[in-house]
Amino acid sequence: DAGITQSPRHKVTETGTPVTLRCHQTENHRYMYWYRQDPGHGLRLIHYSYGVKDTDKGEVSDGYSVSRSKTEDFLLTLESATSSQTSVYFCATVAGDSLDSPLHFGNGTRLTVT
Amino acid sequence: AQSVTQLDSHVSVSEGTPVLLRCNYSSSYSPSLFWYVQHPNKGLQLLLKYTSAATLVKGINGFEAEFKKSETSFHLTKPSAHMSDAAEYFCVVSDRRANNLFFGTGTRLTVIP
Repeated sequence: DAGITQSPRHKVTETGTPVTLRCHQTENHRYMYWYRQDPGHGLRLIHYSYGVKDTDKGEVSDGYSVSRSKTEDFLLTLESATSSQTSVYFCATVAGDSLDSPLHFGNGTRLTVT
Repeated sequence: AQSVTQLDSHVSVSEGTPVLLRCNYSSSYSPSLFWYVQHPNKGLQLLLKYTSAATLVKGINGFEAEFKKSETSFHLTKPSAHMSDAAEYFCVVSDRRANNLFFGTGTRLTVIP
């Protein structure tokens, strides 16, 4: 959907190690988002980007950083992973410039922090 | 502030019977509302959206939803459930000022043969 590829699809890592998740899109969409999905919480926004080198925090940004050096790639980094960051992470893009446009999602990355 | 409440965490219906998934929202101004569906190990897919046009919105796979401002509701319905409808459904409200979408906690739909 909208040519969004997330890598890796699954990751197991130890507490305290750095982790980078990658989102790659082929549709040249300007806006890109990182969400985490946890039982009982739905999806919560971590960070988003509105262009190359333009990013902003979402509602659950603590412990996460992002980078967008190219339109097609949006990286999410956990500098020092904690068990509370065990989750399923979704990348999304939106075709327009407004959140009235539908989001297109990748298939997710399941991250386990032991 | 925007928020979304999905009133049922789990709904179970028999194949061929109607589906009703309930969603209430709170919003300080006219919202945009969405329903998304998530099949196992997949990302979310848009079912339908409401953006202040017709209050009855038709989506894919026979689903529709009605925006009722007086009740602050946006319930999702389908006349006849199919086995392939078994999935998790999310009601979502757009907050343009916060540049964010607020997701409900989801309703898992089970379809019994």
